[in-house]
Amino acid sequence: AQSVTQLDSHVSVSEGTPVLLRCNYSSSYSPSLFWYVQHPNKGLQLLLKYTSAATLVKGINGFEAEFKKSETSFHLTKPSAHMSDAAEYFCVVSDRGRNAGNMLTFGGGTRLMVKP
Amino acid sequence: DTAVSQTPKYLVTQMGNDKSIKCEQNLGHDTMYWYKQDSKKFLKIMFSYNNKELIINETVPNRFSPKSPDKAHLNLHINSLELGDSAVYFCASSQDGLAGSDTQYFGPGTRLTVL
Repeated sequence: AQSVTQLDSHVSVSEGTPVLLRCNYSSSYSPSLFWYVQHPNKGLQLLLKYTSAATLVKGINGFEAEFKKSETSFHLTKPSAHMSDAAEYFCVVSDRGRNAGNMLTFGGGTRLMVKP
Repeated sequence: DTAVSQTPKYLVTQMGNDKSIKCEQNLGHDTMYWYKQDSKKFLKIMFSYNNKELIINETVPNRFSPKSPDKAHLNLHINSLELGDSAVYFCASSQDGLAGSDTQYFGPGTRLTVL
């Protein structure tokens, strides 16, 4: 079984300061891990994904995440927050489902607020 | 040139009615999915189809019936709507859906409100 825990339901930062969104996972297999972003009343957009290649993954809009197997973590970071980063962020783990389907398991989400 | 599209965007209906949500992808992907996002933003998979064949069915009430006329379309029909069905429903697609590393691309969502 797989699960994802996003450790903070809300994170508030000032514009121009670093962003850290924390994610821990559990998986029976070697997982693939993703971060998706959802802007208000919009669909989900892929930020980045880890698929057992480099452990430091760079995504769009200056975001990156580091896969740490020993800590079962996949935290999302950005050096400098922008107002347009305000959104809901989802950490996601992928595993083979019971019927060989690609099942995504979502974390509960972290709402990022950016103050001017 | 929308990749994954859903219609309608909003759907308001009475309890007990039957409604459908349509999804289409123009990415040439083999696998399509339906997810439900509840009022607390929690997302959970409902169904997955690979080349028109059902491969994931996550203990969804049988009032929900997905239909895939071809691999570019996956529609969701809901019978006898209940208040608890109110949610945002997302369609997604991926290249083959059988590899854990496969990226899923999401549609804009359909907000269903049952009164």
